[in-house]
Amino acid sequence: DSGVTQTPKHLITATGQRVTLRCSPRSGDLSVYWYQQSLDQGLQFLIQYYNGEERAKGNILERFSAQQFPDLHSELNLSSLELGDSALYFCASSAGQGNNEQFFGPGTRLTVL
Amino acid sequence: AQSVTQLGSHVSVSEGALVLLRCNYSSSVPPYLFWYVQYPNQGLQLLLKYTSAATLVKGINGFEAEFKKSETSFHLTKPSAHMSDAAEYFCAVSALGTSYGKLTFGQGTILTVHP
Repeated sequence: DSGVTQTPKHLITATGQRVTLRCSPRSGDLSVYWYQQSLDQGLQFLIQYYNGEERAKGNILERFSAQQFPDLHSELNLSSLELGDSALYFCASSAGQGNNEQFFGPGTRLTVL
Repeated sequence: AQSVTQLGSHVSVSEGALVLLRCNYSSSVPPYLFWYVQYPNQGLQLLLKYTSAATLVKGINGFEAEFKKSETSFHLTKPSAHMSDAAEYFCAVSALGTSYGKLTFGQGTILTVHP
């Protein structure tokens, strides 16, 4: 158990819908990272927050957004969902802003029908 | 920019045999390198990391990796495979001072261990 929690574990929804994925980092960790794992794209970095502020952006679509709240939990919002958004979404946390060991949550499996 | 290439999407070994999973990286600045393991339906677990200290890094479960700057490689090895090592392994790179530590992953190598 990494100490990072993600909810829900599974999410099945339809095209065009909007979903919210939630992540709670390890106690004391200030950085939260979001990654997407799909068969065709592999593991890709989406976005990072540090202590409530956005720090780095990767290949995140405009339909996707995230935020980190004062209690340090983070949410990833995916809207206007398409079939190709079906993937595993991982959250990871680390103590600092960069190059620290990242601890991964169990992931949320999103299926868009 | 950083990138990682894992040579071989599938590696199959016999129980007790040497495990060698290959990883080559590209980075314009000194890299930090990581190996993660992913068991079915689970998240990623860190096996080991290189952060510019010793070039031979020992990790959990008997794995180790050697950083070779001249070859831009960070191959993962284990002297004797166990059935429980069957999983997918990911090599990843991040770079000091850039992108605040985001990880760039390779495509993964699925390790199969035969009895």
